[in-house]
Amino acid sequence: AQKVTQAQTEISVVEKEDVTLDCVYETRDTTYYLFWYKQPPSGELVFLIRRNSFDEQNEISGRYSWNFQKSTSSFNFTITASQVVDSAVYFCALRNYGQNFVFGPGTRLSVLP
Amino acid sequence: NAGVTQTPKFRILKIGQSMTLQCTQDMNHNYMYWYRQDPGMGLKLIYYSVGAGITDKGEVPNGYNVSRSTTEDFPLRLELAAPSQTSVYFCASSDAGVSEQYFGPGTRLTVT
Repeated sequence: AQKVTQAQTEISVVEKEDVTLDCVYETRDTTYYLFWYKQPPSGELVFLIRRNSFDEQNEISGRYSWNFQKSTSSFNFTITASQVVDSAVYFCALRNYGQNFVFGPGTRLSVLP
Repeated sequence: NAGVTQTPKFRILKIGQSMTLQCTQDMNHNYMYWYRQDPGMGLKLIYYSVGAGITDKGEVPNGYNVSRSTTEDFPLRLELAAPSQTSVYFCASSDAGVSEQYFGPGTRLTVT
């Protein structure tokens, strides 16, 4: 069975702090894909990143970085020097090859000025 | 490219009424999905389709129906609306079995 856990329900940080959002997944498949989505207060869902199970390289995109560790079944997301515009709900998702997506419950991030 | 479009953006229904939520994508994606998101909660899959003419139930299909006569369109039908169907409905599409999903802007539905 597939499962995604985001243990942090809500996080509050002050602007310019770094923050890491945790994502732990469960799957028996060897080929799978991990995703992060952002849902700002306006409500839309924005795709941030996709990572396949064969690529454990960390990824950096501006202030965003992702750490994928198969050994701990984790795909954590770090925002460096957070900004108020980063305030949103962030969803981690898992997809086994050819199957449906399984979303985590989301982490609500509030960045305070 | 418009991506995934949904209409209407907002709707208020009375209990027992029916309606169709429209979803269209212009990316030629085979896979399409309908999710609902209750306030403060995550996404629950209602129905999905892997191609025209093929649909299947997701986690919470009761009270809904879908059809997929074309690659572009994937309407969601609500029959006999109930207050429990008050939610935000998102349509999404993806290219293949490995790709990310792209979401529409959502339809906020209230049933009173």
